[in-house]
Amino acid sequence: EVQLVQSGAEVKKPGATVKISCKVSGYTFTDYYMHWVKQAPGKGLEWMGLVDPADGEAIYAEKFQGRVTITADTARDIAYMELSSLRSEDTAVYYCATGPLKSNYAENCLDPWGQGTLVTVSS
Amino acid sequence: EIVMTQSPATLSVSPGERATLSCRASQSVSYNLAWYQQKPGQAPRLLIYGASTRATGIPARVSGSGSGTEFTLTISSLQSEDFAVYYCQQYNKWPQVTFGGGTKVEIK
Repeated sequence: EVQLVQSGAEVKKPGATVKISCKVSGYTFTDYYMHWVKQAPGKGLEWMGLVDPADGEAIYAEKFQGRVTITADTARDIAYMELSSLRSEDTAVYYCATGPLKSNYAENCLDPWGQGTLVTVSS
Repeated sequence: EIVMTQSPATLSVSPGERATLSCRASQSVSYNLAWYQQKPGQAPRLLIYGASTRATGIPARVSGSGSGTEFTLTISSLQSEDFAVYYCQQYNKWPQVTFGGGTKVEIK
């Protein structure tokens, strides 16, 4: 069974950095891309970026460029999303989600998803 | 950036009735369109990809259609478990993806 298990909720002060993990099981971690998606309270889904776990190459949405870093630890099958210079608008649930098979990346859907990690930014 | 617009924002439907949700792209995305279902407190779940292919385990009452800029998700006979928020997502230009704003399907 494919599972993505994310780290627990975080409370951070403005200006701080948060790092969320996403542990993968049930498939070969390096065969698939990994996406990260933001969902602010009561809002829709916003793509942040993705990583190729095999070589660590990450591509980010323009909106988050410069503040987000997505990495992968292939020894432990864990993906990470780090967001810096936190502000109140970053309060949201953050999801990791398995992207396409690297040999067929055209079908760029997100399936399955982790359970989500709530990040609260408050002074 | 390709903008995805979903309508209506809220759809009130009685159990057993048909629900029809729309998604429009600001430019052609060919058939590179997926649909997701999200229930309160849960992560989204993939329903449809390639505009019309059901994901594993998705019942036949859920169907997708369309191409280019106009897409439709149809649930032929709403069950209690179908009341949720639905999002469309385009993936026409690697690796960028964008989501629609969502349609909430509520009990009438």
